[in-house]
Amino acid sequence: DTGVSQNPRHKITKRGQNVTFRCDPISEHNRLYWYRQTLGQGPEFLTYFQNEAQLEKSRLLSDRFSAERPKGSFSTLEIQRTEQGDSAMYLCASSPGLAGTETQYFGPGTRLLVL
Amino acid sequence: GNSVTQMEGPVTLSEEAFLTINCTYTATGYPSLFWYVQYPGEGLQLLLKATKADDKGSNKGFEATYRKETTSFHLEKGSVQVSDSAVYFCALSDSGGSNYKLTFGKGTLLTVNP
Repeated sequence: DTGVSQNPRHKITKRGQNVTFRCDPISEHNRLYWYRQTLGQGPEFLTYFQNEAQLEKSRLLSDRFSAERPKGSFSTLEIQRTEQGDSAMYLCASSPGLAGTETQYFGPGTRLLVL
Repeated sequence: GNSVTQMEGPVTLSEEAFLTINCTYTATGYPSLFWYVQYPGEGLQLLLKATKADDKGSNKGFEATYRKETTSFHLEKGSVQVSDSAVYFCALSDSGGSNYKLTFGKGTLLTVNP
């Protein structure tokens, strides 16, 4: 299997602009997670998809954030009207979805810098 | 809610030294426990895991035992190498209706000198 891929790897934007990130999970993986990691901290959960259904959103996910997984394969995370506090590494992870607790496989992340 | 507390870093060791990174957790259900590692410039990789009390996870010479009585999952390695230099994250996944999302500690930076 190829691993989880994320694009772009780096994004620099000006405050107020919209940005969109893409995650391609491992083929056939039903579960997909988004996390955010700031400098010196561990990743924090943002949202979770089971196939195309978004089943949970963290309170960290403000109204400016939206995530989709339209066909149950790739996912996009959009941030509208970016703020400097959105600067972070955005991580995507996937797991098969065949059992209870499973190993989550992480992508390399998209590093966002908001100027 | 769930939380993970791990040893503050950074940790600096000489090659072949013994490593312990402490990790304790708080969970509402019956969590599975994980150690992930992040090498410089790379993504998070699973190092080892344990899914129930008294299980021992092991990989690449690293070990951790799930201790329910002390709510701990300390990471150990008998003899570290320079190539072990990385950031180590302890994490839990609680199956109690939480969609198996991971809750991470803040990470511990390990530097191993030759």
